[in-house]
Amino acid sequence: DIQMTQSPFSLSASVGDRVTIFCRSSQTISRSLNWFQQKPGKAPKLLIFAASNLESGVPSRFSGSGSGTDFTLTVNSLQPEDFATYFCQQAFTSPFTFGPGTRVD
Amino acid sequence: QVQLQESGPRLVKPSQTLSLTCSVSGYSMNSRVSGHDPHWTWFRQAPGKGPEWIGFLSSSGGPSYNPSLQSRATISVTPSKNQFSLEMTSVTVADTAVYYCARGNAYWGPGILVTVSS
Repeated sequence: DIQMTQSPFSLSASVGDRVTIFCRSSQTISRSLNWFQQKPGKAPKLLIFAASNLESGVPSRFSGSGSGTDFTLTVNSLQPEDFATYFCQQAFTSPFTFGPGTRVD
Repeated sequence: QVQLQESGPRLVKPSQTLSLTCSVSGYSMNSRVSGHDPHWTWFRQAPGKGPEWIGFLSSSGGPSYNPSLQSRATISVTPSKNQFSLEMTSVTVADTAVYYCARGNAYWGPGILVTVSS
């Protein structure tokens, strides 16, 4: 299985901050990388697919980049509703594994 | 707007079979749109952990399952009821989790907590 790691495990931020989250895969996955946001008691919400494509309805302050094994999710000007846990997921090959998550509070 | 809703028993005894149903609205599972092949997917998330992909069923490629489940999971589709289902046999306490159904990665149900306990 492809192992996904994320850093940091958690971070403290304030409204208006620029936040960057890192995701690394144990083998190359081209650009087959999704980012999800999850709030307590809710289902994960797809933010970005194929490394850098914004899902419909997701604010443009979210952006993704990377290819191969290293990826980033950036939130420009953090808003109150962005405090959540963020997961990356590789969509390159089955089983489609997730990272452990990064909590933003 | 596509919506999904999980249903089924919330408490299952060890060694028994977990059975969940996902009801889909806002999209006909009977529809055949050229180039569109939705993946009817199940995920789960144990308390305090990241999500885990269980598997999916698509009309073009058939089923695909997470090998870690050791062939215990089966996903089936009932287009006439606009539903799809998950069966997982021989459950243990390690299968306690919130189970989510989804269409691909973009549309998820709210999830259902299933506890495995005697």
